[in-house]
Amino acid sequence: EADIYQTPRYLVIGTGKKITLECSQTMGHDKMYWYQQDPGMELHLIHYSYGVNSTEKGDLSSESTVSRIRTEHFPLTLESARPSHTSQYLCASSHLSGYEQYFGPGTRLTVT
Amino acid sequence: GDSVTQMEGPVTLSEEAFLTINCTYTATGYPSLFWYVQYPGEGLQLLLKATKADDKGSNKGFEATYRKETTSFHLEKGSVQVSDSAVYFCRYFNQGGKLIFGQGTELSVKP
Repeated sequence: EADIYQTPRYLVIGTGKKITLECSQTMGHDKMYWYQQDPGMELHLIHYSYGVNSTEKGDLSSESTVSRIRTEHFPLTLESARPSHTSQYLCASSHLSGYEQYFGPGTRLTVT
Repeated sequence: GDSVTQMEGPVTLSEEAFLTINCTYTATGYPSLFWYVQYPGEGLQLLLKATKADDKGSNKGFEATYRKETTSFHLEKGSVQVSDSAVYFCRYFNQGGKLIFGQGTELSVKP
């Protein structure tokens, strides 16, 4: 069983609030990812990291930011939440090759 | 460029029916192919994989064969159960590290 965790699982928050979605993994994986999943289920890569102090933007432009200060931790921050940020956010990790990814359970964010 | 295309959902079946979810790809080189499953309210889990042509991946009664001649990796199950209701993603990974998910196919199995 994969050891990758996301908190909170569900979050309802008002417009303009700052939020941080947490993701941590205990597998020692170097590479970590954030995906945004739209209602049609399609996955969009928004951020990834090769290791500590590495962050890269993904295929889908996002107003969120990420940091990687520790190998096991890859939080995602929205400085000012908007209704358009309402979505499911999935965190994943893998060895550096990216061959096989392990996913967290997701955070369902609703911005009112 | 490289791409993965899955059949559109939702797919609705009765219990014990035969399932096929199509996945085709365009590739440079020789990718590895995967199927991931996402149960309601959860993240994605690896279901099965195949690393080279003619390999067959199998798990939990699901199978998929890597067919290089048709560039396909269709997911099949002989007799689906209500508990198989989920979203299924085909995934491509090549030696250059490029990974692509298909758009996902929702399966709903009715009792």
